[in-house]
This record gives sequence, structure tokens and C-alpha cells, in this order.
Amino acid sequence: GAGVSQSPSNKVTEKGKDVELRCDPISGHTALYWYRQSLGQGLEFLIYFQGNSAPDKSGLPSDRFSAERTGGSVSTLTIQRTQQEDSAVYLCASSPDRNRGNTIYFGEGSWLTVV
Amino acid sequence: AQSVAQPEDQVNVAEGNPLTVKCTYSVSGNPYLFWYVQYPNRGLQFLLKYITGDNLVKGSYGFEAEFNKSQTSFHLKKPSALVSDSALYFCAVRGYNTDKLIFGTGTRLQVFP
Repeated sequence: GAGVSQSPSNKVTEKGKDVELRCDPISGHTALYWYRQSLGQGLEFLIYFQGNSAPDKSGLPSDRFSAERTGGSVSTLTIQRTQQEDSAVYLCASSPDRNRGNTIYFGEGSWLTVV
Repeated sequence: AQSVAQPEDQVNVAEGNPLTVKCTYSVSGNPYLFWYVQYPNRGLQFLLKYITGDNLVKGSYGFEAEFNKSQTSFHLKKPSALVSDSALYFCAVRGYNTDKLIFGTGTRLQVFP
């Protein structure tokens, strides 16, 4: 597609349920990022995928959070046993490759509300 | 560790006046610096970046930013503000030895008619 696509755009879930957020990066982009933006906060790095390399998971806040990227394209961020503090906007981004001068392009985000 | 500081939570400016949104950074080696804008209920849009070369970088919507190595700053500027520029602005940095883009906490720009 023309840009980074994320789904769902909005999700309301009950505390304790699992949720999956999907990201479809720009075609041909090998680098994929997940960030979290809580209300009134900046952007918190969660995880980074680059090609077939092992992902950088250093930003995942707890073992309830996991992500995978299948076939080097679509990525899914999974949050197990959701808590109210997980309520945030989850932003996915992609970049052509790991060249650090590349621009990172963001999707519109998935707005998660845990009630 | 790399970091970005945006010292102002909010900047208010009258339409037609010049605007500046401040950003300072800390990173090992030469920095890669970025500015993004976020409109309400939207994702982040890329404005401009500094990689190397001229210290003055021009970007989208008439914005520009000046890289100052000695002051470790990358302030965003626009000569004449528009009401439609009102949004949340994020500065970000990437060091030479990391793939992560680290963001500042954001500055809310309010342009008054």
C-alpha cells in the first residue's frame, strides 16, 4: 500500500483479555518499529524488526507484550491479560532498511482502551 | 545513552509571527535528527531531517530547522506561522550505533488568529 496500515484503528477491551494489533508496512520496507504513546506522554519504543535479524525487544514493558513479523512483512503486536495501564495509542512505523539516515514512516495508530 | 529534550510543553504564537520549537539532544557520534508533527487523532507525519551537510534543513509546509553541533540543538522554525500549524511537534534522534529513533516528549504549538 501507499503507507503504513494499522488495524484495528480503535479497540476497546476488558481488563484481562488478550488483544492483537496488526501492522502492514510500506511495501519493500525491511525495517519495522512499534512505539507506544500514552495520553500526554511522548513516544516509547517497544520493538524493532530488521529483515531476518533477531528483533530488538529491549523496549517491551513486560512479558505480557510480544510481537512477531511473518514473512518479513506484516507484524502483530500481542498484549496478553491486558491492564488499564496498557491503554494507549500503539504506533507502527517502517523504513526502507537499517540505514540510519532513512526516514521512518508512521501509521495512523491503533487506539487501545482497556476498561 | 541517547536522549532528546524539548524544554517547552507548549509554545503560543500569533498567526503571521515567526515560530521556534526548541530541541536539544545527546548522542554518541554524529546524530541523525528528525522532526515530526502530529495532528489530533492522527499518526506522526515526517517534516524534515538532518543527516549531514548544510546545517539549515528545509522541510514540508515551510518549516526549517538548524543543526548546531556546538549547542547540540536542532530547533524547528518557520518564518510566518499559520493557524493550521497548531499541532504536537516531536523531535527525534538516532545515534550512529543504534537503530532506534528516540523521541522527545513533544511540544504543543498553538497559533492564535
